[in-house]
Amino acid sequence: EVQLLESGGGLVQPGGSLRLSCAASRFTLSSYDMSWVRQAPGKGLEWVSSISGSGGDTNYTDSVKGRFAISRDISKNTLFLQMNRLRADDTAIYYCARRQVIGAYAGGMDVWGLGTTVTVSS
Amino acid sequence: QSVLTQPPSVSGVPGQRVTISCTGSSSNIGAGYDVHWYQQLPGTAPKLLIYGNTDRPSGVPDRFYGSKSGSSASLAITGLQAEDEADYYCQSYDSSLGGYVFGAGTEVTV
Repeated sequence: EVQLLESGGGLVQPGGSLRLSCAASRFTLSSYDMSWVRQAPGKGLEWVSSISGSGGDTNYTDSVKGRFAISRDISKNTLFLQMNRLRADDTAIYYCARRQVIGAYAGGMDVWGLGTTVTVSS
Repeated sequence: QSVLTQPPSVSGVPGQRVTISCTGSSSNIGAGYDVHWYQQLPGTAPKLLIYGNTDRPSGVPDRFYGSKSGSSASLAITGLQAEDEADYYCQSYDSSLGGYVFGAGTEVTV
């Protein structure tokens, strides 16, 4: 079964850093665009960052630009999100998600992990 | 403030038809970017419900129907069931922001 499993969340003080990981099973990251999506407590979904299948294109929502960095290790089939200078409003469940590919069409996010919780607090 | 506007909640009785709207602008839905819909049951990860405005992934009942017109999209649920109680989100791409955007979500109560 195709699967994503996030890890690396935890409690961190404001200004601190965390590195989230997302291990992919039964598919190859290099064949898909991947994203991180977060959900603050009691709030809706917010796209955070994406990386193309080739790895050559990365994008970020404005609030994390310059603080977060998306990357991947193809040999380990793992996606990462390096989060620096964390703020209280970064507190959320962080999901990794795969963008579906059907032939030449790239559509919605068809595979999601269970999420990992990041809490930024002193 | 979400770029895509959804009603906060809709409700219905079993068997009824409910509709959730998703209103965007000329830089996202109106620019021709596809709309996708997700269902999030309490305490779980989102699940892709509709992709490419109208298509259902394998396993999604045909009670769920997506449509798009101009700068707006809609998700209709026909034959509402208790198990449909969840939050529903629309999602597209915004060229001005250079990234994906989600609606704020709609809570469906049966």
